[in-house]
Amino acid sequence: NAGVTQTPKFQVLKTGQSMTLQCAQDMNHNSMYWYRQDPGMGLRLIYYSASEGTTDKGEVPNGYNVSRLNKREFSLRLESAAPSQTSVYFCASSPPSAGAVNTEAFFGQGTRLTVV
Amino acid sequence: AQSVAQPEDQVNVAEGNPLTVKCTYSVSGNPYLFWYVQYPNRGLQFLLKYITGDNLVKGSYGFEAEFNKSQTSFHLKKPSALVSDSALYFCAVRDSKAAGNKLTFGGGTRVLVKP
Repeated sequence: NAGVTQTPKFQVLKTGQSMTLQCAQDMNHNSMYWYRQDPGMGLRLIYYSASEGTTDKGEVPNGYNVSRLNKREFSLRLESAAPSQTSVYFCASSPPSAGAVNTEAFFGQGTRLTVV
Repeated sequence: AQSVAQPEDQVNVAEGNPLTVKCTYSVSGNPYLFWYVQYPNRGLQFLLKYITGDNLVKGSYGFEAEFNKSQTSFHLKKPSALVSDSALYFCAVRDSKAAGNKLTFGGGTRVLVKP
């Protein structure tokens, strides 16, 4: 099983450029998440989607937008990249029911983004 | 709001010695607690979780964790550490009273096991 697939794995952007990080899961999960990982700060939640058709802001949503395209796919867009968005981005999903708080999340391999 | 604290940035331990990684949490309702491990240049892998019931939870690779409600802690333990346990460890929490399915992580603790 592929699990959670993120593309691309690496990306270098110039300040002001835009890009979309793609995430897809093949486990029929309802909930999906985008996190960023920075040294000493752990994983911070950017946006999450409890189910298809809904999205909510996390701790650090500024400068990002998301689209829950369908149940499988949850994309993260940077409209105008800034050096402060240099980070490793992780997508995750968790199982079926939106109320299934007792289930663990499954993570993709990450996207290493550098903004110069 | 839900939150997690991992008070140690790094833990050093000799191979064969016990390993403990500390985690404390704050929630409004009941906590659902998780431990994950991250190896270099990889995503996070699930180790174990506490939902309800027995306070001692056993997980993958010989790890266990103890839930302590009075101290709001969920420390990760391994009786005898291996060099291959060297990695970054994250504690995470969901709050039973929080809307959606929000999962909050701590800052991570790097574990270095020396031969």
